[in-house]
Amino acid sequence: AQSVSQHNHHVILSEAASLELGCNYSYGGTVNLFWYVQYPGQHLQLLLKYFSGDPLVKGIKGFEAEFIKSKFSFNLRKPSVQWSDTAEYFCAVTRYNQGGKLIFGQGTELSVKP
Amino acid sequence: GAVVSQHPSWVICKSGTSVKIECRSLDFQATTMFWYRQFPKQSLMLMATSNEGSKATYEQGVEKDKFLINHASLTLSTLTVTSAHPEDSSFYICSAKDWRVGPQETQYFGPGTRLLVL
Repeated sequence: AQSVSQHNHHVILSEAASLELGCNYSYGGTVNLFWYVQYPGQHLQLLLKYFSGDPLVKGIKGFEAEFIKSKFSFNLRKPSVQWSDTAEYFCAVTRYNQGGKLIFGQGTELSVKP
Repeated sequence: GAVVSQHPSWVICKSGTSVKIECRSLDFQATTMFWYRQFPKQSLMLMATSNEGSKATYEQGVEKDKFLINHASLTLSTLTVTSAHPEDSSFYICSAKDWRVGPQETQYFGPGTRLLVL
């Protein structure tokens, strides 16, 4: 079935460690890609998005993601995580001509130890 | 930035009653709003797309008579859970698109409504 897959269910890191969260999608054709973050008790916030152009996208709070079309991937990275990055991270996709419907991955819970 | 509110933030109701959840775009007009459902420790599942002035489009497996959606204005969409049962207990989240941004519009999410049906 076509889907969005996040490979890591729960990631535990120490502060200052580097982060990479995997995201793969299985839709063909034109897609737009997003990473959202949900801090404990808060609503979803957009970290970054890719529509076209430079496949390396920089977002807020030092996050970046790289779109690799040949691998159907859009992995999220951060060189040095902080305790405040503890949250749930969701990868999402919209497909061309689908009215902007977001299809979410399963989510990755990130726990950063101080 | 664009703000989306939801009301109520949480609700507890008895089985068999109906519950209405409001989603409002506070500082922009949203021709399209989306309703999601999130179970604990799981992802968001799209329930339906709500378009201002027309009928909602429901995703496969979502009962339209169970989850009534009304998008009467450019800033308000409502989700009514009719004859709620314990299995309807969940976290309901809405999002809204800002039509002024153009084809690369982004969705803005509300804070969610937690529903507990006893």
